[in-house]
Parts: sequence; C-alpha cells; structure tokens
Amino acid sequence: GAVVSQHPSRVICKSGTSVKIECRSLDFQATTMFWYRQFPKKSLMLMATSNEGSKATYEQGVEKDKFLINHASLTLSTLTVTSAHPEDSSFYICSAPRTSGRVTQYFGPGTRLLVL
Amino acid sequence: KQEVTQIPAALSVPEGENLVLNCSFTDSAIYNLQWFRQDPGKGLTSLLLIQSSQREQTSGRLNASLDKSSGRSTLYIAASQPGDSATYLCAVTGQGAQKLVFGQGTRLTINP
Repeated sequence: GAVVSQHPSRVICKSGTSVKIECRSLDFQATTMFWYRQFPKKSLMLMATSNEGSKATYEQGVEKDKFLINHASLTLSTLTVTSAHPEDSSFYICSAPRTSGRVTQYFGPGTRLLVL
Repeated sequence: KQEVTQIPAALSVPEGENLVLNCSFTDSAIYNLQWFRQDPGKGLTSLLLIQSSQREQTSGRLNASLDKSSGRSTLYIAASQPGDSATYLCAVTGQGAQKLVFGQGTRLTINP
C-alpha cells in the first residue's frame, strides 16, 4: 500500500533555531501535499497546501515567512520552522493524496517538535 | 466554511459494550468522510473511508455510516476492548478539494 514517511520523528531544539521536517511519498508521486499541526489534546488544523513547482498555499492565520514550505520534487515536501519559539512546539503531520480511481489521503507518522 | 463537530468529547465505558461515536458537518457537499484512530503521541491510523455516494462501511467490529443530507456520520464499535482506547477523529474532504477538515475528536477509554 501507499506509504508516506516523515523525518525526523522527534526533534528538540533551542529557541531561535530553524528546523526542517521532510515528508516523502515512498511509492507514488504527489504534486500536492498537505501540512497539518496538532496542539496537545487538540485536533489537526491544516496549515498549508504544498504544490510541486509553485508556491505553497497557506491557510488564514498561518505565517508563511515563519513556516517555509518547499515542494522540491514529486515525492518530497519540506516544512521549515524558522526562528522557532516555544509556542511552535507541536505535532506536525503531512499527508499526500493518491489518485487511483478515487482520491485517498495517506498520512505520515508525524513529527513532534519541542522548542526549549 | 466547513465545520466538523464530534460528540462526545470523551467517553469511558466498560469492556464488552457496544458504543457509538458521533460526527456532524455543516456543509453536505463533501467528497468523502474518514474515521481515524490516534494513539497518544502517535500519528493517524485510517479506520474507515466512506465515499459521498456510500451509506456505510464496515471493517471487523467497526461500522461507519454516512447521512450526507443531514450532515452526520456515526462510528459504531461492537464488543469494545481495552485496546480500542484511543482518540477517534472524524474528517471530511470537500468536493474538488483534497484537504481534510477534522473534528475535535472523541477520547475513548475502555475499562477492563
């Protein structure tokens, strides 16, 4: 079956540093990927849509200069949290849609970010 | 703007009981609806996916129904087990779009 991976699975960093999270579709190509954020005991909120070959589309209230998204290839999207602060600590999950007749979303395992 | 609501927010039942989790959405123009399971600190596990043209889907002890016109879905869990303890999330995909809108989740605890 389709698999989406994320790296790293967990990261701890100091305030002010930048952190890059990778999302890969392992056995299918994805021109679009999605990045979600989940605060503790809260639901997932869509942050942005990553588009291969063009700029990402950000949801209202999400700072595009804070959360840089690059869709480098048809199997890789990266989310960079720039100048991270403790309030950026969260669980970040990506998804990639696969079309085989119908569209099915496949989710990565998530990345837990802790900013000290 | 699509909004998804799940009731109850938390549920605790003894092992062996049958239970129902509820999900409602405000815009009935959806592409599909999914139920996910999330264990603490973990990612999402897709349980059931119902296309907009379908009324229900079954997998083992799980049955999900969809009433698109009323904007409701239910997840029925039969003969609950302690291993079913997790947070259950409902999410809808809008027509023409691929991004999901999630409910807040129901935190389920099955007591041995």
